[in-house]
Amino acid sequence: EAQVTQNPRYLITVTGKKLTVTCSQNMNHEYMSWYRQDPGLGLRQIYYSMNVEVTDKGDVPEGYKVSRKEKRNFPLILESPSPNQTSLYFCASSLSGTGAPGELFFGEGSRLTVL
Amino acid sequence: GQSLEQPSEVTAVEGAIVQINCTYQTSGFYGLSWYQQHDGGAPTFLSYNALDGLEETGRFSSFLSRSDSYGYLLLQELQMKDSASYFCAVLTGGGNKLTFGTGTQLKVEL
Repeated sequence: EAQVTQNPRYLITVTGKKLTVTCSQNMNHEYMSWYRQDPGLGLRQIYYSMNVEVTDKGDVPEGYKVSRKEKRNFPLILESPSPNQTSLYFCASSLSGTGAPGELFFGEGSRLTVL
Repeated sequence: GQSLEQPSEVTAVEGAIVQINCTYQTSGFYGLSWYQQHDGGAPTFLSYNALDGLEETGRFSSFLSRSDSYGYLLLQELQMKDSASYFCAVLTGGGNKLTFGTGTQLKVEL
């Protein structure tokens, strides 16, 4: 089954404790992206990656890091989480930035709470 | 940067037709997408318009006017399961960047 898998789905952590949210897709997609969703603000892009070893900042990259060492994986790293990073996070992938225009496949989301 | 405007809430009755509008201001516009999201679940792709005009997919249609920086999603024969949030999103940045609006919550009533 074609899917984007995120882990963990739910996490409560404390300020400053490094954490990683993993994302994996099995569709051989070149393009991957992370979004955060907050009430009233819609989905805001954090980082995206056009292909292996190619990453770029989205609209709200502060406090986050990403890496793309393999095509299928695109982890989101919070080096020192703060309460304002409490949010619902979505990973998404697409055949390429233009190959399947505007059509992203989303994971089920990771709800993160930072105390 | 990009900005998108869509109504925050729309209410309609089962069986009716509803239109959700989206206006945008952006540079390097490639196209307009629509997504559906149920109760914080994964957003799912509905449609994409790159050219002016109407695209129809079953009960859902999407329209784009590039000259007016405007689009809409039309839902026909509304069903209770259509109650969800609907997001428009603009594709820019050479086709690499998809920026979402804040979403429209559609409530379908009996």
